[in-house]
Amino acid sequence: GQNIDQPTEMTATEGAIVQINCTYQTSGFNGLFWYQQHAGEAPTFLSYNVLDGLEEKGRFSSFLSRSKGYSYLLLKELQMKDSASYLCAVRGRSGGYQKVTFGIGTKLQVIP
Amino acid sequence: GAVVSQHPSRVICKSGTSVKIECRSLDFQATTMFWYRQFPKQSLMLMATSNEGSKATYEQGVEKDKFLINHASLTLSTLTVTSAHPEDSSFYICSAREPGELVIHGYTFGSGTRLTVV
Repeated sequence: GQNIDQPTEMTATEGAIVQINCTYQTSGFNGLFWYQQHAGEAPTFLSYNVLDGLEEKGRFSSFLSRSKGYSYLLLKELQMKDSASYLCAVRGRSGGYQKVTFGIGTKLQVIP
Repeated sequence: GAVVSQHPSRVICKSGTSVKIECRSLDFQATTMFWYRQFPKQSLMLMATSNEGSKATYEQGVEKDKFLINHASLTLSTLTVTSAHPEDSSFYICSAREPGELVIHGYTFGSGTRLTVV
């Protein structure tokens, strides 16, 4: 099966940097996603890592270490609109086919 | 980019009735679509994988006779919640990935359906 752990809540200050960690266990690992989800809305895609290292995309960066089963999402220059839940999702093999499993999500609150 | 349309966005139904939720890929053909359910303050839980032209693959613990999935065309998958009960009240959301599209572009989600059973 697949198991994903991430903190449930975090608070950070506007303009600061925040790092959201995610650890996972899965068989047949084939990529890790980060999604942003505002309350009552659909998730929107932020990043995808399949190889070790850092992927940077504007204010958002995502890191992956496959050997450690670890990833983080780094948000720089935080803005109030970044207040949302951030979902870590792992693509792996379960029951003979590939599927994407989501973590519980980290609710980030950005304060002035 | 790929667009997935989901309808309705909100529905309220009486206990014991059935509700159909539609998920359409607007500008691509989706051979596979995924159906998720999300309870308040919880994660997206995969319910089933919908395959065009064949039976859906259900996750453990999901009743296939209660949650009927039909994927009769390459652009439409439907989820029917039969004999709905208040505990079925949840946020239902579908997703798909355009075939051939690089995985680095992620999976596209529909806008979700908020189901309330009274």
